[in-house]
Amino acid sequence: AQTVTQSQPEMSVQEAETVTLSCTYDTSESDYYLFWYKQPPSRQMILVIRQEAYKQQNATENRFSVNFQKAAKSFSLKISDSQLGDAAMYFCAYRNHWKEGANSKLTFGKGITLSVRP
Amino acid sequence: SAVISQKPSRDICQRGTSLTIQCQVDSQVTMMFWYRQQPGQSLTLIATANQGSEATYESGFVIDKFPISRPNLTFSTLTVSNMSPEDSSIYLCSGVLHYGYTFGSGTRLTVV
Repeated sequence: AQTVTQSQPEMSVQEAETVTLSCTYDTSESDYYLFWYKQPPSRQMILVIRQEAYKQQNATENRFSVNFQKAAKSFSLKISDSQLGDAAMYFCAYRNHWKEGANSKLTFGKGITLSVRP
Repeated sequence: SAVISQKPSRDICQRGTSLTIQCQVDSQVTMMFWYRQQPGQSLTLIATANQGSEATYESGFVIDKFPISRPNLTFSTLTVSNMSPEDSSIYLCSGVLHYGYTFGSGTRLTVV
């Protein structure tokens, strides 16, 4: 079974600075997808970024980028120019290759609470 | 992107009663998932719901306690039966799209 580990329960960053959130995972599959989700106090899950395992290039979305190390099974999220609105809980998640059925379920890490200091 | 309307957003219920949570998606989704989340903690998958077949439950969750309905590709319900204070939690639904996932905004349930 796949597992996702987020070992840092909390992190804090100064506004406008850069922060990196760590995530490791374990799988025997070669084709899979990794995600970072943001959950603010509103409880709404918001997709931050997605990475396909077959792509060597790291995904980027504006101020958000990942460092995907497939051999090390590491998937960290870098937030640049941190803003007050980035304060939230962040979850790393894994799913197997995009196929119908039960394999489409997401496996979540425990999450990390990010606070942004003004 | 698809939007899920989840109702109710919160409820306070008496122990021993049941609550049905509804999720309506504005487009068709193949699989739907029901999660439980304690405040400040991760999402724990309760079950996977397919249209026209019985839901698949994760270890520790049973159909008698959490019956699920999935009558069509845009709607699903989760019932929390014979509630006890230990069932107090946030319950979220999610749907799989061809390009990703969509989530409801959760139901905060308090059992007194």
